[in-house]
Amino acid sequence: NAGVTQTPKFQVLKTGQSMTLQCAQDMNHEYMSWYRQDPGMGLRLIHYSVGAGITDQGEVPNGYNVSRSTTEDFPLRLLSAAPSQTSVYFCASSSLPNTGELFFGEGSRLTVL
Amino acid sequence: GDSVTQMEGPVTLSEEAFLTINCTYTATGYPSLFWYVQYPGEGLQLLLKATKADDKGSNKGFEATYRKETTSFHLEKGSVQVSDSAVYFCALPNQAGTALIFGKGTTLSVSS
Repeated sequence: NAGVTQTPKFQVLKTGQSMTLQCAQDMNHEYMSWYRQDPGMGLRLIHYSVGAGITDQGEVPNGYNVSRSTTEDFPLRLLSAAPSQTSVYFCASSSLPNTGELFFGEGSRLTVL
Repeated sequence: GDSVTQMEGPVTLSEEAFLTINCTYTATGYPSLFWYVQYPGEGLQLLLKATKADDKGSNKGFEATYRKETTSFHLEKGSVQVSDSAVYFCALPNQAGTALIFGKGTTLSVSS
C-alpha cells in the first residue's frame, strides 16, 4: 500500500527559482493538506483541500500555490523560492470528517540558497 | 485561539524508564485530542487519540487521558525502549475542523 507519496525527497533551489512538490494518495481521501516543519516551530499548515476543485489557505500560505484537479493529487508550487522557504514539507490526507486522523507522506526537504 | 503547549525537550531516558510528556491545550468546547509520533527520517504517524473527556487513548504501550478539568492530555509509557526514540507531537483540530494544530514537538532519546 503506497499511502501518501511525496516527490522529490530532497531538492536544492536558488533564490527566485520555481518548483513543484508533488503529493499523491491512493486512499480516496477527500481531505489533503500541506504542512511545513521548522525547528522549534512544530508543523504549520500552508494550504488544504476538502475535495477536487476546492482549496483554501492555512496559517502560512504566502509564496505557495496549490490546486486540486483530482482526488489523488495535491501539488504545492513555490512561485519564486526564498531562503525563508527552506524547510521540510509534509503532505497529509484523511477521510472526512476525520481530519484529525492524518496520513502523512515521508516529507520533502527543500533548501533554498 | 485554540492552541497546544508541550513540554520542552529533549527528554533523555534510559531503557525501561517511565516516560511522561506533558501536553496542555486551549480550546473552545471539547475537541478530540491526538498524539502523533515522528521517527527519524519519516513522516508523522498517529499514535493515539481520545475523542471525549475522560477517554483514555492507548497504543504500543503508550497512554494518554483526556482531562478537561486540567485541559491536559499527557503522554505516558511505563517502560520505554530504544525504539521509542522519536519526536512526539500533541495536536487538536482547529475550530473549523479543517486542520490540526500541533504542539512544537518533544524529542525523546532512549539509551540502552
